Amino acid sequence: AQSVAQPEDQVNVAEGNPLTVKCTYSVSGNPYLFWYVQYPNRGLQFLLKYITGDNLVKGSYGFEAEFNKSQTSFHLKKPSALVSDSALYFCAVRDRGGKLIFGQGTELSVKP
Amino acid sequence: DAGVIQSPRHEVTEMGQEVTLRCKPISGHNSLFWYRQTMMRGLELLIYFNNNVPIDDSGMPEDRFSAKMPNASFSTLKIQPSEPRDSAVYFCASSQLAGTDTQYFGPGTRLTVL
Repeated sequence: AQSVAQPEDQVNVAEGNPLTVKCTYSVSGNPYLFWYVQYPNRGLQFLLKYITGDNLVKGSYGFEAEFNKSQTSFHLKKPSALVSDSALYFCAVRDRGGKLIFGQGTELSVKP
Repeated sequence: DAGVIQSPRHEVTEMGQEVTLRCKPISGHNSLFWYRQTMMRGLELLIYFNNNVPIDDSGMPEDRFSAKMPNASFSTLKIQPSEPRDSAVYFCASSQLAGTDTQYFGPGTRLTVL
C-alpha cells in the first residue's frame, strides 16, 4: 500500500538560511508526489508535484523538491527561508484510484 | 476562479444535533473529496466522488456520517446525531478526474460539538 512518512514533526530555521523538509514514500509503481502548505486557520495550498521527468521540481513561493528514486525521498527545499514560510507542510502520494495519502505534517518555524 | 467554496466556515452545535456541511467544487472538476483534520489523527480522507458517484467511503467513521453529491456543483456532508468527538476541521477538495491532476482545497469548516 502507498504511504508517506515525514520524519520530523518540527523544523526550525533561521531566516535567510536554507531549509529542508523531509519526506519519504512507499509505493508500487511510479509515484505521483505532492507538497502542500497549510497556514493557520486556512486550507491546504498546493506547492508543487512530481509526476515524471526532471528530478528537481520547482513550485510556488520559491520552493522546490528533489525526487530521489533510489532513496524513495521527495524532500522540500528552499534556498533562503522567510519568516512568512512558517506553516505546516504536508507531503502526499497519489494512489491508483486518485486518493491522496498524506503524511502527518511538519511544522516549519522560521525565526528572524 | 473562486476556488472551492465551503459553508459554513464555523459551526458550533450541541451534541445530538444534526450538522450539514456544504461544498461547491471548482467548476469543471469532476472529483470531490471530503477530509477531516484533527490534532490526534491528522488529515483523514472520509469519502470521495467521481462524476457525482461515491467511489470510496471507507474513511467515513460510522453510520452517523453521510455524504451526497446531487450534481457536479454541490456536495454535502451530514452528521446525525453529532457527538463531541466529531469536533474537527472538515475540508472539501476537488480535482479533475483524469490523469494526475492536483487537488485544490477549500478553506474548511471548523466544527465544534459541545
